[in-house]
Amino acid sequence: DAGITQSPRHKVTETGTPVTLRCHQTENHRYMYWYRQDPGHGLRLIHYSYGVKDTDKGEVSDGYSVSRSKTEDFLLTLESATSSQTSVYFCAISEVYEQYFGPGTRLTVT
Amino acid sequence: QQQVKQSPQSLIVQKGGIPIINCAYENTAFDYFPWYQQFPGKGPALLIAIRPDVSEKKEGRFTISFNKSAKQFSLHIMDSQPGDSATYFCAASGIQGAQKLVFGQGTRLTINP
Repeated sequence: DAGITQSPRHKVTETGTPVTLRCHQTENHRYMYWYRQDPGHGLRLIHYSYGVKDTDKGEVSDGYSVSRSKTEDFLLTLESATSSQTSVYFCAISEVYEQYFGPGTRLTVT
Repeated sequence: QQQVKQSPQSLIVQKGGIPIINCAYENTAFDYFPWYQQFPGKGPALLIAIRPDVSEKKEGRFTISFNKSAKQFSLHIMDSQPGDSATYFCAASGIQGAQKLVFGQGTRLTINP
């Protein structure tokens, strides 16, 4: 998985609670991304980062925030989780063209 | 205009056959087209990618065909094996700055022995 780890790998949480997912890379790549994967939708971009403290919204950013305080770490926060945010979340990294994905976090919001 | 449409949703092929997965896009600003392979419980893995300056690219048993005028591209798997059974995703993005990939919906491929 190209030096990308995600934590936790599985999480079950209740509606209305805050949740933070972590992505850590050892490749020193400039760009980092968060996607969600849902049946019938492929993967959809939530937020991305183009450097430390530089982030921008993707296609499905509502209800999510991100932070990047170090090159190697990119955090995704659900401020108040909803059942519609039950999904598998993937972090990805890139430097030029090729984008590499982490192993994913399966999040269930009950 | 940001969509990438992928077909078929599922595909079953006998071992040794040549499965073909097709994708179409609308945004003419896209100029990087990767394919990803995903096994259950794993993250997508980059398989092969193409830029629009060529019409075909081969890497091992995997070939991308690209038709710029039709805004379509496809993945062919030669001499398919049961180990190729996975979900395949096409994607597209620009090449300036961050690679904000737009993915197709995925094709679940089964190769029967």
